[in-house]
Amino acid sequence: AQKVTQAQTEISVVEKEDVTLDCVYETRDTTYYLFWYKQPPSGELVFLIRRNSFDEQNEISGRYSWNFQKSTSSFNFTITASQVVDSAVYFCALSEALDSGNTPLVFGKGTRLSVIA
Amino acid sequence: DAGVIQSPRHEVTEMGQEVTLRCKPISGHNSLFWYRQTMMRGLELLIYFNNNVPIDDSGMPEDRFSAKMPNASFSTLKIQPSEPRDSAVYFCASSPEEVPQYFGPGTRLTVT
Repeated sequence: AQKVTQAQTEISVVEKEDVTLDCVYETRDTTYYLFWYKQPPSGELVFLIRRNSFDEQNEISGRYSWNFQKSTSSFNFTITASQVVDSAVYFCALSEALDSGNTPLVFGKGTRLSVIA
Repeated sequence: DAGVIQSPRHEVTEMGQEVTLRCKPISGHNSLFWYRQTMMRGLELLIYFNNNVPIDDSGMPEDRFSAKMPNASFSTLKIQPSEPRDSAVYFCASSPEEVPQYFGPGTRLTVT
């Protein structure tokens, strides 16, 4: 069975601080995808990144970066120089990778990030 | 491009009433997912379709829940009869192959 654990329920930082959101996953699948989604106070779910299990390269997008380590089954997310607009709930998710058709996401419980001005 | 469209955005109903939630996926997306978000259980899958065919409905909590996808551009999630514990935000998401799921704005359901 697949499982995603986000041990940090809530994090509060002061603006301009760096913050890392942890994600640990469990799966028996040999190929899978990992995701991060952002849910701002308005409630929608915004896709941030997808990573294939074969691709362990770290990725950077502006102030966002992701560290995928298969050896520790972790897919951590770092926000550099946090801003108030980063305040949201962040979800890590996992799905099986099939040759055809998409499969459902298994979500972690989310980490609520509050960035204080 | 219009994103995933869900209606209504908010629904308040009394226990025992029938509720129908609607979803229009992004054009060209062949997979459609219904998720439910609650404080207690987080985000959980209810059912999903590939090419309009239900693939896995094991997340549908009870026989009171049913979902249909009569064509590639429309899906419904029906609860009959509704109960207070069904109160949640219901998300619809769609995706083509090899691309992540894109979520609709959600329907906030309150059953009194």
